[in-house]
Amino acid sequence: DGGITQSPKYLFRKEGQNVTLSCEQNLNHDAMYWYRQDPGQGLRLIYYSQIVNDFQKGDIAEGYSVSREKKESFPLTVTSAQKNPTAFYLCASSLQGEGDYGYTFGSGTRLTVV
Amino acid sequence: SQQGEEDPQALSIQEGENATMNCSYKTSINNLQWYRQNSGRGLVHLILIRSNEREKHSGRLRVTLDTSKKSSSLLITASRAADTASYFCATDPLKNRDDKIIFGKGTRLHILP
Repeated sequence: DGGITQSPKYLFRKEGQNVTLSCEQNLNHDAMYWYRQDPGQGLRLIYYSQIVNDFQKGDIAEGYSVSREKKESFPLTVTSAQKNPTAFYLCASSLQGEGDYGYTFGSGTRLTVV
Repeated sequence: SQQGEEDPQALSIQEGENATMNCSYKTSINNLQWYRQNSGRGLVHLILIRSNEREKHSGRLRVTLDTSKKSSSLLITASRAADTASYFCATDPLKNRDDKIIFGKGTRLHILP
């Protein structure tokens, strides 16, 4: 079955540590996205990528970094510069171009600073 | 860059009743989408309605779109306990060069047994 896989499901980070969240899709989607969700809140866009080797900052990119070396993969690194990283992180993908497309989401990674 | 805003923020109804959630947005759109999120899970795409459509159905879901009022509603008929979730609208703004949709903050729906 096609879909998006996020790992790990739960992640604990110590102060000053960088951590990387994995996102892999086998839907052959061109675009991939990373969102942050805080309790009871909506989704805020961190980074997105429409094509391999290219990505753009979203609304809250500070303290985060991404790469898009393969179409299937869009890992997110939460750096030590992100002062309040505890949140639920969601990865999504979609087709691009002409037409109207919805997003497919992964099941999320819950990151906690300890 | 919030575009859609859902109303109400939270809604509790008895099982079997109909649930209606509304979404208002600010700028012209290509389409509007509704998603469901169960607690602690990812979002699931429910339905997409294009700007030239006024109503769309999918099973127990009915979505309407009024572009003159810049608003949409999601109706869930004959609600079930499994419908308990948060529901988000997302808009694809017109003249959107980067195909990026914008999510609202969601309506939390609780179905009472």
